[in-house]
Amino acid sequence: SAVISQKPSRDICQRGTSLTIQCQVDSQVTMMFWYRQQPGQSLTLIATANQGSEATYESGFVIDKFPISRPNLTFSTLTVSNMSPEDSSIYLCSVAYQGAKNIQYFGAGTRLSVL
Amino acid sequence: AQTVTQSQPEMSVQEAETVTLSCTYDTSENNYYLFWYKQPPSRQMILVIRQEAYKQQNATENRFSVNFQKAAKSFSLKISDSQLGDTAMYFCAFMQTSGSRLTFGEGTQLTVNP
Repeated sequence: SAVISQKPSRDICQRGTSLTIQCQVDSQVTMMFWYRQQPGQSLTLIATANQGSEATYESGFVIDKFPISRPNLTFSTLTVSNMSPEDSSIYLCSVAYQGAKNIQYFGAGTRLSVL
Repeated sequence: AQTVTQSQPEMSVQEAETVTLSCTYDTSENNYYLFWYKQPPSRQMILVIRQEAYKQQNATENRFSVNFQKAAKSFSLKISDSQLGDTAMYFCAFMQTSGSRLTFGEGTQLTVNP
């Protein structure tokens, strides 16, 4: 399994500001994903972070609101832009390896509260 | 589109006893993967067990086993000899063989009582 570090682990932000969340993996991975877990709810996939190209977004999520970068095979960022209280959630990064694409390993998540 | 349903929002069990968590799913696919993930209060999502739909044999991992009924589209998790550390939210999840997106159920909060 992978060692996945997410930063920050939690943050409290003001409405209208942006927050960038980092995901660092200890080894090269094929795929990286970003999920949102709203309070008391399940996880929903935001997008797949593609190395060297634009992320692939799921229905209901747009690049202007959730810009994603993946400059290499071990690192990705998710930005939550122009935040509102409805963005208060846990944001989780997950990864999958070339030899086991159907198994995803998760980071500990970032708990975001927007005032 | 695939859907995953967990009909038990909360469950509790006494330490050392056995508990079964239910999960049903809906798909038109014939080949796919099913998972159980555990999320303790630390928020870390931990893979508990995985089942490949084309395998008839039920997956087992130590105290954790599944009852996979493909025709009924049912995928329950049995935890034997429950331990206090098993207290967590448990999510059932589905993935198409051809894809990489995980579709999660609503979760079941399991509490193991001493």
